[in-house]
Amino acid sequence: EAGVTQSPRYAVLQEGQAVSFWCDPISGHDTLYWYQQPRDQGPQLLVYFRDEAVIDNSQLPSDRFSAVRPKGTNSTLKIQSAKQGDTATYLCASSSTGRTQYFGPGTRLLVL
Amino acid sequence: GDSVTQTEGLVTVTEGLPVKLNCTYQTTYLTIAFFWYVQYLNEAPQVLLRSSTDNKRTEHQGFHATLHKSSSSFHLQKSSAQLSDSALYYCALSSRQVVGQLTFGSGTRLQVYA
Repeated sequence: EAGVTQSPRYAVLQEGQAVSFWCDPISGHDTLYWYQQPRDQGPQLLVYFRDEAVIDNSQLPSDRFSAVRPKGTNSTLKIQSAKQGDTATYLCASSSTGRTQYFGPGTRLLVL
Repeated sequence: GDSVTQTEGLVTVTEGLPVKLNCTYQTTYLTIAFFWYVQYLNEAPQVLLRSSTDNKRTEHQGFHATLHKSSSSFHLQKSSAQLSDSALYYCALSSRQVVGQLTFGSGTRLQVYA
């Protein structure tokens, strides 16, 4: 069974540029999570979906961040006008409702 | 809200010796499950252990942990550390406040030396 896949694996931007991260969850998992993991810190939840609905996006840092999951499968996390403070690894995870979360390999973002 | 505390940022141990990584938590809600995740260099976190039963030992890959609600702890232990155990270890809890949502600790880096 394929795991959670993410792309790209790495991204390097100048401040002010936009970037999108893509996530394909494990087949059949209804819940999808996006985490931000700054260097040397634990993952911090940004937003999560059940099917296509946003359940909680209260931890998205600002209106520069947005996330969608239009068909309840794949998801995209977008950062408009990136800042140096956005430098981190962005992890996607999926699960069946209330069950163990499985993580993708992450996208390492560096904002110069 | 929920919080998870891992007091050691770095734990070093010689191969073959026992190791213990500490994890304590605070929650104002009925907590469903506790986890230990392991993250190897440049890889995603992967679940190592899961427990939701008080005072029951859970084991996997030579590691074990026992949830103690009386002391709000879920420490990770191994009787004989291996070089391949060197990684980042995160303790996490999932609270009934938001079913399935994980709160992670800050992580402990385990370095095993020959």
